[in-house]
Amino acid sequence: DGGITQSPKYLFRKEGQNVTLSCEQNLNHDAMYWYRQDPGQGLRLIYYSQIVNDFQKGDIAEGYSVSREKKESFPLTVTSAQKNPTAFYLCATRLAGTDTQYFGPGTRLTVL
Amino acid sequence: DQQVKQNSPSLSVQEGRISILNCDYTNSMFDYFLWYKKYPAEGPTFLISISSIKDKNEDGRFTVFLNKSAKHLSLHIVPSQPGDSAVYFCAAGETFTSGTYKYIFGTGTRLKVLA
Repeated sequence: DGGITQSPKYLFRKEGQNVTLSCEQNLNHDAMYWYRQDPGQGLRLIYYSQIVNDFQKGDIAEGYSVSREKKESFPLTVTSAQKNPTAFYLCATRLAGTDTQYFGPGTRLTVL
Repeated sequence: DQQVKQNSPSLSVQEGRISILNCDYTNSMFDYFLWYKKYPAEGPTFLISISSIKDKNEDGRFTVFLNKSAKHLSLHIVPSQPGDSAVYFCAAGETFTSGTYKYIFGTGTRLKVLA
């Protein structure tokens, strides 16, 4: 079953703790992206990666970190430095040479 | 400074009628535009796209129009169905000389189709 997997669907953490959100894909897509969505706002780009072992900051990278050690995986760590981490996080992928981006189901992170 | 704007936060349309969702952009370097449909607590679903070299693309009930001189695109849904009720995002893509490809999203329009 091909697709983009984000787990878990809902995640709760205490303030001050780092938390890592998972994004896995078996589409053989080259590029991967992380966005966050807040109520009444669009999707804002956190980090993106075009190829393995390479990634770039998006528009709101502060307080986040990523790694891209495998083509299939692009985990996002929300650190304690992120001032307002509660949000809906979306991972997306794109096949090189194409223009369309596809999204995973998302993870809702709530920091208590 | 918002490069992609959806100025209507919400839209209500009667079932069977046409829904028109609008999107404006400021960056003339965008070369690809996409529309996504999103339900609460789910990932966006790709609907339709258009390249900057075209002015129209059609897929079933969905048609996207691009007016480059006005930096405006619109999504037409005909006929509208209750299942179309969702939030619709437009997105603009830009290719950089480094080969990277980024998307900028609008804030979304909530469409409600009334039965």
